[in-house]
Amino acid sequence: AQSVTQLDSHVSVSEGTPVLLRCNYSSSYSPSLFWYVQHPNKGLQLLLKYTSAATLVKGINGFEAEFKKSETSFHLTKPSAHMSDAAEYFCVVIPTGGYQKVTFGTGTKLQVIP
Amino acid sequence: EADIYQTPRYLVIGTGKKITLECSQTMGHDKMYWYQQDPGMELHLIHYSYGVNSTEKGDLSSESTVSRIRTEHFPLTLESARPSHTSQYLCASSEIGVVDGELFFGEGSRLTVL
Repeated sequence: AQSVTQLDSHVSVSEGTPVLLRCNYSSSYSPSLFWYVQHPNKGLQLLLKYTSAATLVKGINGFEAEFKKSETSFHLTKPSAHMSDAAEYFCVVIPTGGYQKVTFGTGTKLQVIP
Repeated sequence: EADIYQTPRYLVIGTGKKITLECSQTMGHDKMYWYQQDPGMELHLIHYSYGVNSTEKGDLSSESTVSRIRTEHFPLTLESARPSHTSQYLCASSEIGVVDGELFFGEGSRLTVL
């Protein structure tokens, strides 16, 4: 069995301040982990992915995430928020063994205040 | 921008009507998927296909049906729409297995059944 928990449904930050979007997972197999972003009225776009290589993963638009097996976490961070970062972010887990079901989190809406 | 297209983007119809949501991709991907997305909920897989003439039901039971006669085309049909079908439907494709690869999403079809 596997699950994804995005700990915050909404996060609000001021422009220029750091962003932290939290994701915890559980998986019976070693997981591949992804972050997707969805801007209003758009499809989801891949931000970054972890597939058992380096635990610190860099993505597009200055985002990065660190895989911490001991904490079963894959939090998304960015040092300085930009207005264009306002969107909904989805954490995704896919086990590398067994039935490779794609499980999405419920999403975190990021608001960036000017 | 991903080369995957969905039409219509928005559709409002009455109960009992038959509707088809179109999805086309120009990337030559064998694997295609339909997800249902509701506010505050995780995305749920309702159908997938691993190639021409291959269709499978996903994790979430759906009264819709799909077909895959051509690699690039993966339409979803509701024979008799009901208000409970009101939702956003996202089409996606991937080149290789989802564990290592990226899901490319269309911009979605938002269906409202009155």
